[in-house]
Amino acid sequence: QVHLQESGPGLVKPSETLSLTCTVSSGSITNYYWNWVRQPPGKGLEWIGYIHSSGYTNYNPSLKSRVTISADTSKKQFSMNLSSVTAADTAVYYCARDGHDLGEYWFDPWGQGTLVTVSS
Amino acid sequence: QSALTQPASVSGSPGQSITISCTGTSSDVGSYNLVSWYQQHPGKAPKLIIYEVTKRPSGVSNGFSGSKSGNTASLTISGLQAEDEADYYCCAYAGSTIPWVFGGGTKLTVL
Repeated sequence: QVHLQESGPGLVKPSETLSLTCTVSSGSITNYYWNWVRQPPGKGLEWIGYIHSSGYTNYNPSLKSRVTISADTSKKQFSMNLSSVTAADTAVYYCARDGHDLGEYWFDPWGQGTLVTVSS
Repeated sequence: QSALTQPASVSGSPGQSITISCTGTSSDVGSYNLVSWYQQHPGKAPKLIIYEVTKRPSGVSNGFSGSKSGNTASLTISGLQAEDEADYYCCAYAGSTIPWVFGGGTKLTVL
């Protein structure tokens, strides 16, 4: 059973960089896409971007200029950096797996999510 | 890429059936039979309940069913139970450039 766990600071100052890590326990990270999805308080889900186990990345155009996703396959971890944050970036950030190269066009599993607040 | 359109809220009584719609475009919902649905209880992560429009993962109640017509997908919950009260999100694959688009979410209230 694959399990995902997000980690990182819960508070980030405006204009700084938000950095989160997702650790994958059990199972292989090979051949899957590892996504970041966020949810502002009381609002819906927004896809941020993904990294494939090969290193290929793809980002939501609305965030592309500020986001970078990377991976450390030896540690089974992938990370997201979001620069120049504002209060609008306050959200619960989730990591989630999809396997669309394998015909698995869905997100499962998801991490439990981590709330990041942008405030001075 | 615009979000898929869902009703903000729906409600039903225990034992009844409800349907939540998810309207996209010919570039996402209409292009692929790759719509998934997620159930989210307060403070919890989303949980996959339907994939590929109509399929249920192992362990998901057969009270959940999905369908699609044109650019609109639908989630039907039959035999409503109190524990079905949650937020529901649709998600569609939209191609390799911008692969994923979510709906705005629907809050289900069991009366």
